[in-house]
Amino acid sequence: KQEVTQIPAALSVPEGENLVLNCSFTDSAIYNLQWFRQDPGKGLTSLLLIQSSQREQTSGRLNASLDKSSGRSTLYIAASQPGDSATYLCAVGGSNYKLTFGKGTLLTVNP
Amino acid sequence: GAVVSQHPSRVICKSGTSVKIECRSLDFQATTMFWYRQFPKQSLMLMATSNEGSKATYEQGVEKDKFLINHASLTLSTLTVTSAHPEDSSFYICSASPSGTGRTDTQYFGPGTRLTVL
Repeated sequence: KQEVTQIPAALSVPEGENLVLNCSFTDSAIYNLQWFRQDPGKGLTSLLLIQSSQREQTSGRLNASLDKSSGRSTLYIAASQPGDSATYLCAVGGSNYKLTFGKGTLLTVNP
Repeated sequence: GAVVSQHPSRVICKSGTSVKIECRSLDFQATTMFWYRQFPKQSLMLMATSNEGSKATYEQGVEKDKFLINHASLTLSTLTVTSAHPEDSSFYICSASPSGTGRTDTQYFGPGTRLTVL
């Protein structure tokens, strides 16, 4: 059974800092990995999708890497802003369309 | 494009009543929809996979008679929590996968429904 772990559970940084969120998964037989953003009491917004054959994806200030063999992914956020404050979820895509989620990292960017 | 809506966004009900939650894909057709449940500070847990025109597939540990899923059209799936109890209080989120795209590459998520059972 796939298990996804995210570290740290919470992170507080001053505005402008670069930061890294970590995600690990136990079964390396994945199809893809996604990073989502979730605001309090809201649904999910997809940030980046990395296919199993890819090593990284970039979108604006966000960069996600994938090391399938070691079961790890990182989400790098450059020049953080208060508007980046949210919970960031990592999800691994397996067979039959299923996504397995981590518990998330609660990010607070202080002005 | 690719908007998924859920209704209601929030519901409070008495223990023992049934609650229906709707999930709609507004601008695309979705052969497959998914229902997740999220407890505070926990992961989203997949409850079931809903396929248009056929029975839903439930994850291990999810009671299919308690969580009734109907996917009657390519744009609508409903989740009915029957005889709700306080332990069913949770945040329910659906997602929809556009028809023909295959795999998990494109799941669009709804805004979620907060269920509180008194």
